[in-house]
Amino acid sequence: AQSVTQLGSHVSVSEGALVLLRCNYSSSVPPYLFWYVQYPNQGLQLLLKYTTGATLVKGINGFEAEFKKSETSFHLTKPSAHMSDAAEYFCAVSGLTGGGNKLTFGTGTQLKVEL
Amino acid sequence: DAGVIQSPRHEVTEMGQEVTLRCKPISGHNSLFWYRQTMMRGLELLIYFNNNVPIDDSGMPEDRFSAKMPNASFSTLKIQPSEPRDSAVYFCASSPSRQPNQPQHFGDGTRLSIL
Repeated sequence: AQSVTQLGSHVSVSEGALVLLRCNYSSSVPPYLFWYVQYPNQGLQLLLKYTTGATLVKGINGFEAEFKKSETSFHLTKPSAHMSDAAEYFCAVSGLTGGGNKLTFGTGTQLKVEL
Repeated sequence: DAGVIQSPRHEVTEMGQEVTLRCKPISGHNSLFWYRQTMMRGLELLIYFNNNVPIDDSGMPEDRFSAKMPNASFSTLKIQPSEPRDSAVYFCASSPSRQPNQPQHFGDGTRLSIL
């Protein structure tokens, strides 16, 4: 079985500060990991994904995430937060045998960016 | 390029009425997913199709819910009869294939309110 844990349902940072959103996963098979962002009244938009290869993955809008197998983590970071980053962020995992690209989502982290 | 298109964007109806939500996936994508999002339960996978065939409908809440995909470019999710607890945002997503490294692309959702 697969599961995703996002620590912190709400995270608040100042504009220009580092953004760190935490994601830990459990999977019995090598995972494929995704981060999605959801702006108000919109669907989920892919930020970045890890499939194989380089463990540091760069995505859109200056975000990146690092796959750490030993820590079963895939934390999302951005060096300098912008007001436009305020949104909800979801970590997801796929790869369960026979599951195709069926995704298991975390419960989401609401990011607030303050002046 | 056109993304996943859902209609209607908003639906308000009285309990007991039939509700039909529609989805047009991205052209060439052969996997399609229906999700429901609520504050209490987060993002739930209801059903997914591959090559127009339902693969996993274990998330469909009960017999009042049904989904069809008559062709590669159209899917419907029907609720009959509707109940207030069905109020939620319903998302459709599509993916190029069932490979677990393939991301899902989401529509902007249908906000459903059952009075």
